[in-house]
Amino acid sequence: EPEVTQTPSHQVTQMGQEVILRCVPISNHLYFYWYRQILGQKVEFLVSFYNNEISEKSEIFDDQFSVERPDGSNFTLKIRSTKLEDSAMYFCASTPGQGGKNEQFFGPGTRLTVL
Amino acid sequence: KQEVTQIPAALSVPEGENLVLNCSFTDSAIYNLQWFRQDPGKGLTSLLLIQSSQREQTSGRLNASLDKSSGRSTLYIAASQPGDSATYLCATQEGDSGGGADGLTFGKGTHLIIQP
Repeated sequence: EPEVTQTPSHQVTQMGQEVILRCVPISNHLYFYWYRQILGQKVEFLVSFYNNEISEKSEIFDDQFSVERPDGSNFTLKIRSTKLEDSAMYFCASTPGQGGKNEQFFGPGTRLTVL
Repeated sequence: KQEVTQIPAALSVPEGENLVLNCSFTDSAIYNLQWFRQDPGKGLTSLLLIQSSQREQTSGRLNASLDKSSGRSTLYIAASQPGDSATYLCATQEGDSGGGADGLTFGKGTHLIIQP
């Protein structure tokens, strides 16, 4: 069964460094999302992406964040200058976006640790 | 702004029992509601999605209901098994942009333990 994949599973970085988290959404899905979950807290929406542009973004998704679909399969989240509070689990999700159902399928996540 | 609340925060029951997890949301103008399962340190597994026009969905031993007007959903698990132990998350999707573009708003989850 098709699934969303994410790499790396765990990333450790120094404060101020740039990180790129990678996702491969399910083939033929049209909408892509990034979420984060700080340890012990709720899963929070960051951004949605459709037709090669951002559709919606939350207040968390500030200028330090960017997303890109560099080719036909990958979907990336870049954090330009990481802060300690960016430490979290980052989840990518995708949905077909057709037929009205919009069930979102999540990847296994990337655990980001900022030191 | 949508707020999603899940009660109880934690639940421990003996194997074989039927149980109900509750989810409430403040803004009834949702596009759909989705239930997930999350195992420790893992991603989210979609269990059921209920569209705003539906009242319930069933998958195996799971049944989810939706009462949009009162802002409530329940997840019913029949004949619970130790393998059902996980955190169960409820999430709503608003319909401002036809549903597809909107992110999900999550509750904090119910941590479920099924005792063998």
